[in-house]
Amino acid sequence: DAKTTQPPSMDCAEGRAANLPCNHSTISGNEYVYWYRQIHSQGPQYIIHGLKNNETNEMASLIITEDRKSSTLILPHATLRDTAVYYCIVRAPLGTGGFKTIFGAGTRLFVKA
Amino acid sequence: EAQVTQNPRYLITVTGKKLTVTCSQNMNHEYMSWYRQDPGLGLRQIYYSMNVEVTDKGDVPEGYKVSRKEKRNFPLILESPSPNQTSLYFCASSLRFAGGTDTQYFGPGTRLTVL
Repeated sequence: DAKTTQPPSMDCAEGRAANLPCNHSTISGNEYVYWYRQIHSQGPQYIIHGLKNNETNEMASLIITEDRKSSTLILPHATLRDTAVYYCIVRAPLGTGGFKTIFGAGTRLFVKA
Repeated sequence: EAQVTQNPRYLITVTGKKLTVTCSQNMNHEYMSWYRQDPGLGLRQIYYSMNVEVTDKGDVPEGYKVSRKEKRNFPLILESPSPNQTSLYFCASSLRFAGGTDTQYFGPGTRLTVL
């Protein structure tokens, strides 16, 4: 699985959009980009994933560049409860050797009032 | 309620005393996994299981054993715990979607201290 690079920390004002970047320049053609977050020491929580196209769900949007070497997670209206560590990981589909998961250090997002 | 449960949530033990951390999921997921989390090192995968009786090593399997005799349970066994296994442990299970993608659901964590 490809490694990812994320900034160690970011700040965001409450109510504003939080844009969290992730670099995955060695991603393979069949690898998906997943985002998870971890609030304090709770179990990580799935946010969103994508392959090539941009994706949106009730929590966030995922923008993947055309060359797939980087992506951005967007929390459209950040709240104090979004303060967490956000992990970007890439993984091949299950059944193609893709069950091994490598979490990086993540980005610690501080949402400030 | 769909969930992954772990027991115990907190455990203090001594070096060499065998212990088992249980993990159970009620979502009929095929895939299960164990991670440990240490300050500065993030989440690291210990073992994973793709189905009953099918397990494989993650990145840090030394000192751990697992078994998957039934779909819902995936216990983590420390035969002879050592202080360097003091950590926060998470169990996760995955629902497989079409195309082979999956999302992992994590348990609440087990904080283990080995003296």
